[in-house]
Amino acid sequence: AQSVTQLGSHVSVSEGALVLLRCNYSSSVPPYLFWYVQYPNQGLQLLLKYTSAATLVKGINGFEAEFKKSETSFHLTKPSAHMSDAAEYFCAVIENSGYSTLTFGKGTMLLVSP
Amino acid sequence: GAGVSQTPSNKVTEKGKYVELRCDPISGHTALYWYRQSLGQGPEFLIYFQGTGAADDSGLPNDRFFAVRPEGSVSTLKIQRTERGDSAVYLCASSATSGGPNEQFFGPGTRLTVL
Repeated sequence: AQSVTQLGSHVSVSEGALVLLRCNYSSSVPPYLFWYVQYPNQGLQLLLKYTSAATLVKGINGFEAEFKKSETSFHLTKPSAHMSDAAEYFCAVIENSGYSTLTFGKGTMLLVSP
Repeated sequence: GAGVSQTPSNKVTEKGKYVELRCDPISGHTALYWYRQSLGQGPEFLIYFQGTGAADDSGLPNDRFFAVRPEGSVSTLKIQRTERGDSAVYLCASSATSGGPNEQFFGPGTRLTVL
């Protein structure tokens, strides 16, 4: 079965600093990969997804992620953090390409300080 | 347009009671998913519907959990003889079709607390 590992349950950055949230996956075949964001008391919102086209994927709110097969990674980055980026971020992989069932990591809480 | 809605937003019940959680997917979406998110964890898959039928229920933890989608739209997750360990946020998602990297749109969730 596929799995997702997110390194760091909490990441703290200053406003304007680089955001880097790490995600590694295990899969015997090229997967579909996703990043979701969850704001307090809200549902999950899709930030971006990798579908085997371009390895550098751009998403909403200035976020992007790069698929690196050799490292089995799909890290999420943003050049300059904004206070409104404070939220929980989940990396996810499709476990069965026939059904699109998502397997999520445990999440990383991003804290942004002024 | 309207997104995925879930009712109730919060449900408090006593151990041993029966509860029903409702999900209204985006109109026209044929695929519907239920996930459970425990404190400090990512969402975990419970069950997936394609139309009216449960295509994959491998994530249901035991036979106390059951879900239906009789008309291929609204779905109800049913939990019998609730236990304190069932306390979690139950998330529903829908997508236009199944298969491949189709985006799943999530509802705000139902927070279930079993006392």
